[in-house]
Amino acid sequence: KAGVTQTPRYLIKTRGQQVTLSCSPISGHRSVSWYQQTPGQGLQFLFEYFSETQRNKGNFPGRFSGRQFSNSRSEMNVSTLELGDSALYLCASSRLNPRDEQFFGPGTRLTVL
Amino acid sequence: AQSVTQPDIHITVSEGASLELRCNYSYGATPYLFWYVQSPGQGLQLLLKYFSGDTLVQGIKGFEAEFKRSQSSFNLRKPSVHWSDAAEYFCAVGFQGAQKLVFGQGTRLTINP
Repeated sequence: KAGVTQTPRYLIKTRGQQVTLSCSPISGHRSVSWYQQTPGQGLQFLFEYFSETQRNKGNFPGRFSGRQFSNSRSEMNVSTLELGDSALYLCASSRLNPRDEQFFGPGTRLTVL
Repeated sequence: AQSVTQPDIHITVSEGASLELRCNYSYGATPYLFWYVQSPGQGLQLLLKYFSGDTLVQGIKGFEAEFKRSQSSFNLRKPSVHWSDAAEYFCAVGFQGAQKLVFGQGTRLTINP
């Protein structure tokens, strides 16, 4: 069974640009969550999508948004990039039960110059 | 506020020695509890989880963790570490289900030969 895949793996952008990251969950998983990992703030929850609806949201500004498609694939978008957005963005998928653990992808390393 | 604390930022142990990584959380009820491991350049891999029942849980790679309600702790242990255990370890808590996790700051484990 294939794991969670994220594309691209590495990305370099400049301040003010926008970026879209993609996540393909494990087959059969309908929940997709996104996390930001930085050396200073650690791992922080961004949002979770289930059946194309945002079910949970973390404390990030509106520049961070996401969506989920009918095949459970998800994208997250960051507009008007800031230097502080440089981070590893991790996607995780799980089944539908609240007790179903998350499986993480390898992440997308975003560098903002 | 809901929080997770890993008091040890960096731990060094000798190969073959025992290991205990500490994790404390702040929450009124019993949340879902997890330990994840992250190797350099990799995503997060689930070591073990606790939802209810027996407070001593077994995980992969010879790890175990014990939930202590009175101490709001979920410490990770391994009786004998291997050089391949060198990695960063994250305690995570799901206060509203397993799909929205709050992570501790992580403990970086170094193994001396």
